[in-house]
Amino acid sequence: DTGVSQDPRHKITKRGQNVTFRCDPISEHNRLYWYRQTLGQGPEFLTYFQNEAQLEKSRLLSDRFSAERPKGSFSTLEIQRTEQGDSAMYLCASRGLAGRTNTGELFFGEGSRLTVL
Amino acid sequence: SQKIEQNSEALNIQEGKTATLTCNYTNYSPAYLQWYRQDPGRGPVFLLLIRENEKEKRKERLKVTFDTTLKQSLFHITASQPADSATYLCALEGRGYNKLIFGAGTRLAVHP
Repeated sequence: DTGVSQDPRHKITKRGQNVTFRCDPISEHNRLYWYRQTLGQGPEFLTYFQNEAQLEKSRLLSDRFSAERPKGSFSTLEIQRTEQGDSAMYLCASRGLAGRTNTGELFFGEGSRLTVL
Repeated sequence: SQKIEQNSEALNIQEGKTATLTCNYTNYSPAYLQWYRQDPGRGPVFLLLIRENEKEKRKERLKVTFDTTLKQSLFHITASQPADSATYLCALEGRGYNKLIFGAGTRLAVHP
């Protein structure tokens, strides 16, 4: 399977605990994105990387959230001191740089669903 | 602030009919507009992209229009099938090619 993979698919945790999600993008894709989605809403942008550089982070994102892409390949999203409001689907997506052969589409993983009790 | 509006109510249509979904936006001048399909519990899947200088794009039974004056895109599925039932998301991107901003999506239900 050469698509975007995310792990774990489901995570149940207690309030106050830390959680970490991993995303493995399509190997030749330079850009990696994290989105959050709650029921009945569209994906909400969190942050994105070009190679290992984090180029933008949503102003709505709490300091409890941090993302890394240390070697420009896989990425991790960590949420510290989780709150019930963090319960959501966390989606990762990747794409290549703009170019003649790149349609600009995002390739999404199946998401990591977080439930905070 | 930038706002993307899609019909929040589900669209119910009969099999074989054409489904038309609307995406309106304000306070934004997107260079690209994309449509995605999302099934329950799954990640979105890309369908079509249209650029600001394009009026219409087609792919098989799908057609997208983009009116930058009205700040609106219409997404059509002709000869709809029950398998087309899903949520359809509209997404916008500026010229900087940095990130896509998504609407809340419209749920489509095609009945046999």
